Amino acid sequence: DAGVIQSPRHEVTEMGQEVTLRCKPISGHDYLFWYRQTMMRGLELLIYFNNNVPIDDSGMPEDRFSAKMPNASFSTLKIQPSEPRDSAVYFCASVTQAGGNTGELFFGEGSRLTVL
Amino acid sequence: SQQGEEDPQALSIQEGENATMNCSYKTSINNLQWYRQNSGRGLVHLILIRSNEREKHSGRLRVTLDTSKKSSSLLITASRAADTASYFCATSIKAAGNKLTFGGGTRVLVKP
Repeated sequence: DAGVIQSPRHEVTEMGQEVTLRCKPISGHDYLFWYRQTMMRGLELLIYFNNNVPIDDSGMPEDRFSAKMPNASFSTLKIQPSEPRDSAVYFCASVTQAGGNTGELFFGEGSRLTVL
Repeated sequence: SQQGEEDPQALSIQEGENATMNCSYKTSINNLQWYRQNSGRGLVHLILIRSNEREKHSGRLRVTLDTSKKSSSLLITASRAADTASYFCATSIKAAGNKLTFGGGTRVLVKP
């Protein structure tokens, strides 16, 4: 298995532009998580899905952020319009949660976003 | 505030020495996990310890869990330069829908 695949690995954009980050989870995993990592705030959970349905989006910073999971093999995180404070590394992770307890998360390599 | 807090924030040791880092948390957990992150890479799962377990081993890793003190420790024995990385604890809380919440991490530097 190729693992969790994220794209792009690096994105540099200007303030006000739309940014779309993509994630392909591991086949068969029914949970997908989006995290954001910064030096100041560490790893923050933004949103997670179960069977393509958003379960908890309380970590999404504001309405400029949106996430979708149209099918079991694809998710997007969109920022519109982007701001310099959105600069961070965004991670996608997936897991199969047998038994109701969170097991080992498999992380992608991250998308490093720089908003100028 | 974060559920898990690691201590120390940074650790510098010589190759061959043991590295110990601690994690404290606030609320009852289902399990606690430790992850490793090399610079510029994603997180990699190291070990999971359930709330009814007190100690677990995996290779050179030893994890303990004290639910009465709401704390866990990760010990890396006979460290190698390749162990240089950041280490994070993460807690799964039933009341929070089993989502994983990460601490701030411990940066470990192993000098050859």
